[in-house]
Amino acid sequence: DAGVTQSPTHLIKTRGQQVTLRCSPISGHKSVSWYQQVLGQGPQFIFQYYEKEERGRGNFPDRFSARQFPNYSSELNVNALLLGDSALYLCASSLGPGTGNQETQYFGPGTRLLVL
Amino acid sequence: GEDVEQSLFLSVREGDSSVINCTYTDSSSTYLYWYKQEPGAGLQLLTYIFSNMDMKQDQRLTVLLNKKDKHLSLRIADTQTGDSAIYFCAESPELSFGAGTTVTVRA
Repeated sequence: DAGVTQSPTHLIKTRGQQVTLRCSPISGHKSVSWYQQVLGQGPQFIFQYYEKEERGRGNFPDRFSARQFPNYSSELNVNALLLGDSALYLCASSLGPGTGNQETQYFGPGTRLLVL
Repeated sequence: GEDVEQSLFLSVREGDSSVINCTYTDSSSTYLYWYKQEPGAGLQLLTYIFSNMDMKQDQRLTVLLNKKDKHLSLRIADTQTGDSAIYFCAESPELSFGAGTTVTVRA
């Protein structure tokens, strides 16, 4: 079975531009989360979506937005890019919130964004 | 600041055991996870432990959980060169990660 897929794998943008990153979850998973990983640090939580609704948001500015589609895929948008937005953006999917290990998240390979 | 803390580096000889330690702060976490990240790659789920367990063993991996001290550890038996990576512990539900422990396996 395919795991979590993300596109593109790499991206170069300039300051002030906008970027859209895409994620397809594992088949059957209804929840998608986004994380930002700056070089040398652990991933930082940005958003979680479940059944097309935002369930959680990390400490990121409003320049960051996301949405989830009826097929459970998701997009992360970042407006007015800053140099500090350069990072690996990771998407993770899970079955969804609830009991048991439904919350266990499985990560994609990430999109590496470089802002010049 | 971070809610999860880990030591940054660990060097271990091939064939020895590695022990990676982690402290966390959220006592309401249901699950605690260990992920592995190789250079340039995403995070690979290694194992997880439910918060009402003290220990979980999965082949070469042993997870110990001390809820009183909010301390989690991962032991890798018979460490191999392929185990060289960054290891992250994380607490649920919205995964909160530490900075990761870089494990280097030397021959």
